[in-house]
Amino acid sequence: NAGVTQTPKFQVLKTGQSMTLQCAQDMNHEYMSWYRQDPGMGLRLIHYSVGAGITDQGEVPNGYNVSRSTTEDFPLRLLSAAPSQTSVYFCASRSGAEGYTFGSGTRLTVV
Amino acid sequence: RKEVEQDPGPFNVPEGATVAFNCTYSNSASQSFFWYRQDCRKEPKLLMSVYSSGNEDGRFTAQLNRASQYISLLIRDSKLSDSATYLCVVPWGKSTFGDGTTLTVKP
Repeated sequence: NAGVTQTPKFQVLKTGQSMTLQCAQDMNHEYMSWYRQDPGMGLRLIHYSVGAGITDQGEVPNGYNVSRSTTEDFPLRLLSAAPSQTSVYFCASRSGAEGYTFGSGTRLTVV
Repeated sequence: RKEVEQDPGPFNVPEGATVAFNCTYSNSASQSFFWYRQDCRKEPKLLMSVYSSGNEDGRFTAQLNRASQYISLLIRDSKLSDSATYLCVVPWGKSTFGDGTTLTVKP
């Protein structure tokens, strides 16, 4: 059981570049979400999805897009990378009353 | 006001000490409650689910007080390996995570 798989683990982007962070889960969870975590800070919700075809904004959605075409996949797209988006990104999924299962994170640096 | 608030910490305790963390939540309709552990910016991992009757797992005890809308985590006989950030998680709406309380256990 792979759980939640995030790729890549590390990424360096130049300002203005775009890229997609991948997230896949094999637990058939309805709910998936993306968070960013800056040094010394808590998790901040970027976008979330309660099921295939349904997405909604979290606390800090600006500069990011998501889509949920299947239950398994929930990619996060950075439209035009900025240094302020340097952070660690976590994807998570859960089902019903269960807790969250997190991916191992993507460490993104924008220069 | 955040929907989930934790003791800001940090907590610095000697080995063997007992330490308790509190967390308050604002949505009285919340049904699920969890404590997670996060090590040095790695992914958070489930430590304990919190049941209405309270539950214990070895040195860790979690309790829920629905009337006052808070949950607690008690760690007895602290070990060096308990050093981490502990996150209170109350899934509801958009803001479900506390900011975490950092625990450092010293020799």
